[in-house]
Amino acid sequence: SSELTQDPAVSVALGQTVTVTCQGASLRVYYASWYQQKPGQAPTLVFFSGNSRPSGIPDRFSASSSGDTSSLTITGAQAEDEAAYYCGSRDIGGKQVIFGGGTKLTVL
Amino acid sequence: QVQLQQWGARLLKPSETLSLTCGVSGGSFSGFYWTWIRQSPGKGLEWIGEISHREIAPGGTTNYNPSLKSRVTMSTDTSKNQFSLHLTSVTAADTAVYFCTRTPLHARNYFDPWGQGTLVTVSS
Repeated sequence: SSELTQDPAVSVALGQTVTVTCQGASLRVYYASWYQQKPGQAPTLVFFSGNSRPSGIPDRFSASSSGDTSSLTITGAQAEDEAAYYCGSRDIGGKQVIFGGGTKLTVL
Repeated sequence: QVQLQQWGARLLKPSETLSLTCGVSGGSFSGFYWTWIRQSPGKGLEWIGEISHREIAPGGTTNYNPSLKSRVTMSTDTSKNQFSLHLTSVTAADTAVYFCTRTPLHARNYFDPWGQGTLVTVSS
C-alpha cells in the first residue's frame, strides 16, 4: 500500500493565494482528487483528473501536479473557503483508494 | 442531478453487524463503482470499499480495504437502485460517520456526489 501526506494546517489572509499540497508515490501514476469538507457536512469534490473542476466550483480553485506531489491552489481565498481539504487517489496497485490526512485551511 | 440518500441503524453494540443502504436517484446505476467511505470522529477519510454494477462481472466486482476485508460485504440491488454495506463484529473503533458515494468506471479516481453521511456509534 501507499500513503498521501498533507500538511495538517495552513492559513491565508482573506483575498490572498494559498496552496495545499499532497505528496505520495501513487501520484506519479494516478491523478489526485481534492475534496472540501466543512464541519458537519459531507465532502465536496472540488478538483479531479488533473485539470477538471466540477460545475459549481468557483474558478479560483485550480490544481496542478509534478512528480509525486499534487497541489490545490485557491487564488483570492474567501471566508467561505475555510474548511478541511483532503486529497485522494488510487494506491500504487490501483485497487484501493487512499486519502491524505487532510489540511485545515484557516482564512484570516 | 444525481442524489445519494443513505440510511441504517445508528447505534450498535459490540459484535453486532453494521448495515447501511444508499439509494441512488436522478441518474444511472451502471457505469460506476459504488463506494463506502468512513470518517472517525475528528479524523480523516478512510475508504472501505467499492462494488460495481454487474456490467463488469456477474454479481458485480468488489474491492475492499485490506484492513476491513474480513468483515466487509457490499451488495447492489439494481431493481431498487440501491447498494448496501455490511460490516460484521463491530467494535468501538468502527464508530464513525459513514458516507456513500460513487466513482466512474472509466476513471475511478474521484468521488461525486456523496450521501449525507450516517453517524454510527458502537457502544455497550
